[in-house]
Amino acid sequence: GAGVSQSPSNKVTEKGKDVELRCDPISGHTALYWYRQSLGQGLEFLIYFQGNSAPDKSGLPSDRFSAERTGGSVSTLTIQRTQQEDSAVYLCASSLAWGLSYGYTFGSGTRLTVV
Amino acid sequence: RKEVEQDPGPFNVPEGATVAFNCTYSNSASQSFFWYRQDCRKEPKLLMSVYSSGNEDGRFTAQLNRASQYISLLIRDSKLSDSATYLCVVNVFSNSGYALNFGKGTSLLVTP
Repeated sequence: GAGVSQSPSNKVTEKGKDVELRCDPISGHTALYWYRQSLGQGLEFLIYFQGNSAPDKSGLPSDRFSAERTGGSVSTLTIQRTQQEDSAVYLCASSLAWGLSYGYTFGSGTRLTVV
Repeated sequence: RKEVEQDPGPFNVPEGATVAFNCTYSNSASQSFFWYRQDCRKEPKLLMSVYSSGNEDGRFTAQLNRASQYISLLIRDSKLSDSATYLCVVNVFSNSGYALNFGKGTSLLVTP
C-alpha cells in the first residue's frame, strides 16, 4: 500500500481481555517495527521483524505481549489479559531494509485504552 | 542515563525567529542519526537525516558532532506550521540488532 496501515485506530477494552493489533507495512518493506508511546512519554521500542523473523523479543514488556508476522507482510501484536498500564498508542513502522541508514515510515497508530 | 536526551521545552518563539534544538546520545557506537517531527496526536514523520558533514534542507539545518555525541537542528524563519514536537533519533547496532532509539522530543510553539 501507499503507507503503513494500522487497525483498529482506536480500541477500548476491559481489563483482562485480549486484544489484537494489526499492521500492514508499505509494500516491499522487509523490516517492520512495533513501538508504543504512553501519554507524554517517548517512543518505547517493543520488537522488530526482518522478514518473518523476530530475532529478539526482549523489548516486549511482559509475556502477555506477543507478535508475529506472516508472509513478510502483515504483523499482529497481541496483548493478553490487558492491564490498565497497557493503555498507550501502539505504533508500527516499516523500512525498506533492516540496517543503518533507513528511516522509518510510521502508521497512524492504534490508541488502546484499557478500562 | 537515557540513551538519547533532549530538552523537552517548550520553546515558544515568534514567527520568523531562528530556533535551535540540541540532543545528546550516550552510545558512542551509534551510527546514523535522524530528526523526526511529531504533530499532536499524530505519528512521527521523518524530517531529515543527519550527516557528519552537516546538511541543510530549506530552512532546516542539522549537524552532528561525533566527538561530543551531540546533534543539533536549526530552524530559520520559523513558520506557524513548524509548531510540533521534534524527536532526535539515533540508530545503533546492539545485541538486538539495529534499532532506532527515540528521544522524548522537544516541543516547539511558533506564535504569530
